Amino acid sequence: GESVGLHLPTLSVQEGDNSIINCAYSNSASDYFIWYKQESGKGPQFIIDIRSNMDKRQGQRVTVLLNKTVKHLSLQIAATQPGDSAVYFCAEWGGSQGNLIFGKGTKLSVKP
Amino acid sequence: SQTIHQWPATLVQPVGSPLSLECTVEGTSNPNLYWYRQAAGRGLQLLFYSVGIGQISSEVPQNLSASRPQDRQFILSSKKLLLSDSGFYLCAWSRGEGQPQHFGDGTRLSIL
Repeated sequence: GESVGLHLPTLSVQEGDNSIINCAYSNSASDYFIWYKQESGKGPQFIIDIRSNMDKRQGQRVTVLLNKTVKHLSLQIAATQPGDSAVYFCAEWGGSQGNLIFGKGTKLSVKP
Repeated sequence: SQTIHQWPATLVQPVGSPLSLECTVEGTSNPNLYWYRQAAGRGLQLLFYSVGIGQISSEVPQNLSASRPQDRQFILSSKKLLLSDSGFYLCAWSRGEGQPQHFGDGTRLSIL
């Protein structure tokens, strides 16, 4: 069946270091992926997205990498800051209306 | 710019009572609208989505219902709440399928 999952439920990094959050998906037909950041008590906030015709996309301090061969998605955060502490979700769109499938999330903790 | 509002932010209701959660979007027209539920430590579960006024699709059979009386208004309701209805309810909008979904800040619902 379709599923989106994460390799690590928690990640702790030192302030200033780079963070890498990973996500695996199983639906090879999925063609759109999104990363969200969710702070405590708030709704998920869109960070960056990527379509299946791309391998890499960069934003401000964030990069998303897509490896369709192994069905793997990653979010890289450069120079991680305390404000980056949150739960990060990947989401997969399988092509069906409304059918955005979310992973369970990785909690990122940034140590000062 | 577009904004999405959900209210109330928190709600405590007794078992068997009715429910009405409201979500409105500003700054866009004819958005796709979504209701999600997020259990603690879990990903988001899609409950309902709507592509237009009066059009509702249900993803999960349950004692909840949704309505879209106006283009930018989405309401989540129940006639009789169950204990299992406790959770964090999120409304989201998008420009269409395969587009980023943008979330409100959610309603924390506790059933006693």
